[in-house]
Amino acid sequence: TQLLEQSPQFLSIQEGENLTVYCNSSSVFSSLQWYRQEPGEGPVLLVTVVTGGEVKKLKRLTFQFGDARKDSSLHITAAQPGDTGLYLCAGDPSGSSNTGKLIFGQGTTLQVKP
Amino acid sequence: ETGVTQTPRHLVMGMTNKKSLKCEQHLGHNAMYWYKQSAKKPLELMFVYSLEERVENNSVPSRFSPECPNSSHLFLHLHTLQPEDSALYLCASSQAPVENSPLHFGNGTRLTVT
Repeated sequence: TQLLEQSPQFLSIQEGENLTVYCNSSSVFSSLQWYRQEPGEGPVLLVTVVTGGEVKKLKRLTFQFGDARKDSSLHITAAQPGDTGLYLCAGDPSGSSNTGKLIFGQGTTLQVKP
Repeated sequence: ETGVTQTPRHLVMGMTNKKSLKCEQHLGHNAMYWYKQSAKKPLELMFVYSLEERVENNSVPSRFSPECPNSSHLFLHLHTLQPEDSALYLCASSQAPVENSPLHFGNGTRLTVT
């Protein structure tokens, strides 16, 4: 069974601090997606990484896909209260033929205090 | 109008009731999904419909019955549920088989079984 382990599960920080969330697996994924979910809403896609070693930036968010395509990280610089939410990583197992059978991590709940 | 709309937003039902969850997508996608989200657990894929055919049924109990009358609508019929079925039920859509096509989620139905 392919699993994605996210760490930490919960993070509470002050506005302006930096943080990193990790998404790890022993399996290879053809791509990894990061979603953010706010209370009362569904997850919303932030980014998709597809190439081993790839780094993508979205304003203060930096996403990295591991060289072996088994892990990914999300780094937030100078966190703001608006970054508060549940961050989910989701992997597309290699050879899944793009049927949408994403495997999700259990999520990291981020709370940024003003 | 949002891309994926789910109704109702909240539902409380007894174990002997029959109810249905509705999902409608306005994105022109050809694949639709039902996910179950429970506290501190990864999102669980329940059903996948691609081009209105069910292509995935992840060992979901028969008390959950999906229906996809066309590519824009998806239902989840519920009957004789158990308290452990209480969760957030998320509908999603995507364009398949486009590689790395992201999931577009609705805001979910919060189900409580009493």
